[in-house]
Amino acid sequence: DAKTTQPTSMDCAEGRAANLPCNHSTISGNEYVYWYRQIHSQGPQYIIHGLKNNETNEMASLIITEDRKSSTLILPHATLRDTAVYYCIVRAANTGTASKLTFGTGTRLQVTL
Amino acid sequence: DVKVTQSSRYLVKRTGEKVFLECVQDMDHENMFWYRQDPGLGLRLIYFSYDVKMKEKGDIPEGYSVSREKKERFSLILESASTNQTSMYLCASSFIADNYGYTFGSGTRLTVV
Repeated sequence: DAKTTQPTSMDCAEGRAANLPCNHSTISGNEYVYWYRQIHSQGPQYIIHGLKNNETNEMASLIITEDRKSSTLILPHATLRDTAVYYCIVRAANTGTASKLTFGTGTRLQVTL
Repeated sequence: DVKVTQSSRYLVKRTGEKVFLECVQDMDHENMFWYRQDPGLGLRLIYFSYDVKMKEKGDIPEGYSVSREKKERFSLILESASTNQTSMYLCASSFIADNYGYTFGSGTRLTVV
């Protein structure tokens, strides 16, 4: 699976958009980009994933560049409850057996008043 | 509300004890996973299973074994607990076609003394 690079930490003011970047320059054509987050003392939580089109759900938007070498997770109106570690993971589509996720160290997002 | 339930939130065991960590999911997921999480090292995969009685080694299986006798239950076994197995243990599950990602439990913080 392709490796990802994320900033170690970021700050965001409450109510503003949080834009979390991720580089995955060695991504292959069949690899998806997944985003998870982990709030302190809890298990990671799935946010969103995409292959090449931009995706949006009730939690966030995922913007993938045309060459697919980087992506941005957007939390449109960050709240204090969005303070967490955000993980960007690249992984091939499931082939029918358990396809494991490999977590890096992620970006620690601090949302402030 | 879909759930992955880990039997204990906190556990303290003595060196050399046999330790069982239990995980149950109610989503009829085929895949189940055990990770451990340590400061600075992120989440590391120990074992996973894609079907009853099937298991695959993850990245750090040494010192651990697993059991999956029923689809909903995946147990992690520390045959002889050691202090370097003090960690947060996280269980997760997913469908084989895991378009909605993994669902994680809240974790078990194990301390081996």
